[in-house]
Parts: sequence; C-alpha cells; structure tokens
Amino acid sequence: AQKVTQAQTEISVVEKEDVTLDCVYETRDTTYYLFWYKQPPSGELVFLIRRNSFDEQNEISGRYSWNFQKSTSSFNFTITASQVVDSAVYFCALRGTSGTYKYIFGTGTRLKVLA
Amino acid sequence: NAGVTQTPKFRVLKTGQSMTLLCAQDMNHEYMYWYRQDPGMGLRLIHYSVGEGTTAKGEVPDGYNVSRLKKQNFLLGLESAAPSQTSVYFCASSYPPPFMGEQYFGPGTRLTVT
Repeated sequence: AQKVTQAQTEISVVEKEDVTLDCVYETRDTTYYLFWYKQPPSGELVFLIRRNSFDEQNEISGRYSWNFQKSTSSFNFTITASQVVDSAVYFCALRGTSGTYKYIFGTGTRLKVLA
Repeated sequence: NAGVTQTPKFRVLKTGQSMTLLCAQDMNHEYMYWYRQDPGMGLRLIHYSVGEGTTAKGEVPDGYNVSRLKKQNFLLGLESAAPSQTSVYFCASSYPPPFMGEQYFGPGTRLTVT
C-alpha cells in the first residue's frame, strides 16, 4: 500500500525563521514521483515541485529547498527566512507507477508565519 | 488557457437534494480526478477517470456518481445530498503515463448541505 505521512499538523514560526516541513512516504514501487503543493488561505492548490525516485539531488528555488532521501523515505521541504506570505497549508503527495493512477496525499501541515 | 475550471464555486443544498458539479479542462489531459477536502483529512479521492468514457472509484466513492462523456469534462453528481457531504470539492487533471507530472487543480467548490 502507498502512504504519505505529514506528522506535523501545525507549525508556527516568527518571520525570518527557517522552517522544515516533514514528509515520509511508503511505496513498493521502484519508480515513483513525489510532489509538494501549497494551499494559501485563498484555497487554491499551487504546485511547488515534482521529484522522481531516480533523482535524489536536492533542489533549491529561491527561499525554498527540498531534501529527498530514499534511505529514509523522506522528502522534506525547507523555507529559509520565512515570510508572512508563506502562511499556508502544505501538502506532500506520492504517485506510484504500478496499479492504479492515483496520487496519495498527506494530511497537510499548516504553517503560520507571524510578523 | 483557462486551465481547470469548476462550476459552481459555492452551493448550499438541503438534505435529499441533488446537484452536479462540472469540471472542465482545456489542456487535453487524459486523466481527471475528483477530491473532497475536509479539515484535518487532506485530499481524499472520490472518483477518477483515465480517459473519455471511463471512470473508476477512489477512496470515498459512496454517495457520488461521475461521468466523462467528453475528454475535457468530468461531472460529479450527488443524487441525494447528506450533511456528511458538506466539504470543499476539487477537480484535477493530469497527463497519463509515461508523463508522470503533477496534477493541475481547479479552484474548488464549497458545498454546504443543511
């Protein structure tokens, strides 16, 4: 079975602090894809990043960075120098390549950045 | 391009009423999905479709029906609404394998059943 766990339900930080959102996944597929989405207070779901299972290279995009470690089945997301606009719910998702064509979402982490 | 659109954006129903939510995408995606989002439960898959004329059950299909008569449209029906179906509904679409990219989401429909 496939599963995504986001153990942090809610995190509060003060602006300019760094924050890491954890994502742990389970899958038996050797090829799979991992995603992060952002859901700001306005409600839409915004795609942030995709990573395939063969690419363990970390990625940095501005203040955002992602750490993919197959050995620990984790795909963590770090925001450096957080800003109030980063306040949102963040979802991690997994898509395998065998069987059905579903995306499995974690329950999300609500990030509150305080001014 | 409009991407993924959903109609309506808001709706209030009384228990037992029926309604249809419409999802449309203009990206020529084969795959389309309906999710519901409830507090603390993330996104749960209701039904999905891997192509025109095909549909399949997701994680929470009871009380819903779907149809994919045209590639660009995916309809979600509630035959007899119940308060437990109060939720925010999201439609999404994506490319099929071997393109394993991200899903594109609509803006959501907030449904309240009283």
